[in-house]
Amino acid sequence: GQQLNQSPQSMFIQEGEDVSMNCTSSSIFNTWLWYKQDPGEGPVLLIALYKAGELTSNGRLTAQFGITRKDSFLNISASIPSDVGIYFCAGQLIGGNKLVFGAGTILRVKS
Amino acid sequence: GAVVSQHPSRVICKSGTSVKIECRSLDFQATTMFWYRQFPKKSLMLMATSNEGSKATYEQGVEKDKFLINHASLTLSTLTVTSAHPEDSSFYICSAGGRERGTDTQYFGPGTRLTVL
Repeated sequence: GQQLNQSPQSMFIQEGEDVSMNCTSSSIFNTWLWYKQDPGEGPVLLIALYKAGELTSNGRLTAQFGITRKDSFLNISASIPSDVGIYFCAGQLIGGNKLVFGAGTILRVKS
Repeated sequence: GAVVSQHPSRVICKSGTSVKIECRSLDFQATTMFWYRQFPKKSLMLMATSNEGSKATYEQGVEKDKFLINHASLTLSTLTVTSAHPEDSSFYICSAGGRERGTDTQYFGPGTRLTVL
């Protein structure tokens, strides 16, 4: 099936540092979504990207929809302890409504 | 963002019983809802797509007679795990499709932790 390659798998960073994670695929996507999941909770939508090249911010988070439509990155600036969690990228294929998920990036922040 | 609720949040049942999980979109009408299953430290695995007023579409390998889905209204979809067994223990999450900028965006419920003894 379709796959998204998400990296890194995990990160352990110092509070205040910036974080970057990305997703790539061999398929072209219509939409890229970034979610954060806390333990025992459902994923929460952070940023939605709908157009190739689109760069969108949500507070300290910035995400971009790659120009080739096959990749996306998420940056978190000045990390804080509550940024801890699992971050998932998800892509929606053109003409479909299902999402393909990355394997997730586990973020740990050392204060 | 949209609000999606799930009930119950946690359920423990005996092997052989059936369990129903409800998923509601609280502030928008969702023509499509999705049911996922998630194992510990793993990504979400799509089980089925639920369309209001029609039969659900199941992903390959998901038993439709085992996981019954009903999407009776634009705000409610239910997943029933029939004759549950310990291997059905998992975290089940629903999402509802919300149309933004003419493109569907999925909003997730808080999940239901099912433990089958």
